[in-house]
Order: sequence, then C-alpha cells, then structure tokens
Amino acid sequence: EAGVAQSPRYKIIEKRQSVAFWCNPISGHATLYWYQQILGQGPKLLIQFQNNGVVDDSQLPKDRFSAERLKGVDSTLKIQPAKLEDSAVYLCASSLSSGTYNEQFFGPGTRLTVL
Amino acid sequence: KNEVEQSPQNLTAQEGEFITINCSYSVGISALHWLQQHPGGGIVSLFMLSSGKKKHGRLIATINIQEKHSSLHITASHPRDSAVYICAVGMGGGSNYKLTFGKGTLLTVNP
Repeated sequence: EAGVAQSPRYKIIEKRQSVAFWCNPISGHATLYWYQQILGQGPKLLIQFQNNGVVDDSQLPKDRFSAERLKGVDSTLKIQPAKLEDSAVYLCASSLSSGTYNEQFFGPGTRLTVL
Repeated sequence: KNEVEQSPQNLTAQEGEFITINCSYSVGISALHWLQQHPGGGIVSLFMLSSGKKKHGRLIATINIQEKHSSLHITASHPRDSAVYICAVGMGGGSNYKLTFGKGTLLTVNP
C-alpha cells in the first residue's frame, strides 16, 4: 500500500513570495490533515478536510494561507505572501473516518525555508 | 484547550539502557498516541491506547487515565532508536477526531 505522498520535499523562497505544497493521501482515506511543525515544536493542525469539505480551519492564518481538496483526494496548501515565521516543516496526514480513534498516517513533509 | 507536556525534552542514553519518556495532559481525552519522528521529518505511529498497556517488541506504552499520564518505555535501547518521540492526545471521534501534540523528546542512544 502506497503511503502519503508530498511534494516538494524542500523549498527555499524569499519573504513575500508565494509557495504551494501538494499532498496525495492514502487511497480511500477520507480525512486529510495539514500540519505546521516549527523546529523544536510538535505539529500544529492548520486545516482538516473530510472528503472535499473543511472540518476545521480555526488555526489557519487565512490572510495568507489557503488550502483546497477539490475532488476529495489530493490537496494543495498555499502561502501567499510568505513571512519569515512560516519557515517550518509542513506535514500532510490522512486517516480513515470509519473508526472511533483513527490512526493518522503521515507523509515525509515539506521543509520550507523563508529568507 | 488540552495542554500536552512531555519530559524530558532531551535524553541521552547508552546502548542497552532502559528508557522512559513521560507525557501528561490536562483534560479528558479519547485516546493517546505515541509517535516516532526521525531526522528528515517522517512521522510513524507507534501506539494508540485508551487504557492499560500495550507492547510491541522492545517498546511498551502505558496510560493512567485517572492521573492523565502516559509513559513510553524502551527496553534494551539501541542506537537505531535515536529519534524524536512525540506524545499526542486525541479528542472527538470519527471524522472529527483531532490530535494535540507535545513538543517531543529527543532521544540519542550512543553505542
């Protein structure tokens, strides 16, 4: 079974530039999560999708971050414009939604450096 | 908001030592997760538990719901166990299940 795929793995941009990350979850996983992990911290949830609908985006900085999962499969997270404090690893995870406590499967992450 | 505290933040051990990492949380949860993160970012789920104790190979996870505390033990530690170990608490259920993560414990096992 293929795991969660993310691209790119690394990205370096200047502040005020735009960047986009892509995630393809495990086939059949209805729930998709985007997390931001700043160095030395645990992951922080940015947005959670159930199929193509948003379940929780309360911690997404909506003035600069946006995410979509139009067909309920793969997803894109965008930052526009980027700030220095956006430097972090962006993790995508997916899970089935059928169980009570659902194990999340993580992708390798995208390491973003904003200069 | 559920706070998740892990201790220690950093841990260095010699190969073969018994390792314990602790996790405390502040409010009621549905389940507790232990995860492992290697350099490069990839996160792997080790355990998900809502009561008692689970064992997988040299890893043991325990949880005390009344005390809101969990421990991860590694027996006969090995350099390949070197990684960041993250405790996360889950709340809600089904498609509304959400994780809140601790900051992680960086474990280094020296040969």
